[in-house]
Amino acid sequence: AQTVTQSQPEMSVQEAETVTLSCTYDTSESDYYLFWYKQPPSRQMILVIRQEAYKQQNATENRFSVNFQKAAKSFSLKISDSQLGDAAMYFCAYRSALGNTPLVFGKGTRLSVIA
Amino acid sequence: DTGVSQNPRHKITKRGQNVTFRCDPISEHNRLYWYRQTLGQGPEFLTYFQNEAQLEKSRLLSDRFSAERPKGSFSTLEIQRTEQGDSAMYLCASSPTWTGVGYTFGSGTRLTVV
Repeated sequence: AQTVTQSQPEMSVQEAETVTLSCTYDTSESDYYLFWYKQPPSRQMILVIRQEAYKQQNATENRFSVNFQKAAKSFSLKISDSQLGDAAMYFCAYRSALGNTPLVFGKGTRLSVIA
Repeated sequence: DTGVSQNPRHKITKRGQNVTFRCDPISEHNRLYWYRQTLGQGPEFLTYFQNEAQLEKSRLLSDRFSAERPKGSFSTLEIQRTEQGDSAMYLCASSPTWTGVGYTFGSGTRLTVV
């Protein structure tokens, strides 16, 4: 079974600075998708960014970018120019491209943004 | 479409009572998922439907839990004889069939068993 590990339970960043959240995963598959989700306090989970494993180019969405290292099974999220609204729980998730397997989530990283 | 809707937002129940939660997915999405999230943890998969068919159930889904999705539209999750360990946030999500997209989540139902 696939597993997702987020080794940083909590992180903090100064407003306008850059922060990187780590994620590693374990799989024997070669075709899959990776996601980062954001869950603000008492609010619903929203998709931040996604990466297709067969693409070497790292995904970017405005201030959010990933560093996808397939051989190392690593998928980190970089947030540039951090804003107060970025404070939230961030979850890394894995989904196989085969069959109907559901998303597998890590335990999350709580990000605090300091003004 | 306003997204995935879950009701109620909060539910407090006494141990031993039955509770039922409802999820209305995005209308074009044929897949619907239920997850459970406890404090400080990531969401854990419970079960999912493709249209009206329940295709997979997690080991977490004991025989006290049952889920339905009649006619492939909304879904209900029922917990019978609730226990304090059932206290959690129950999240519903939907997606189209293509596995490459992420899910759209609802706001969740927070269950407290006292």
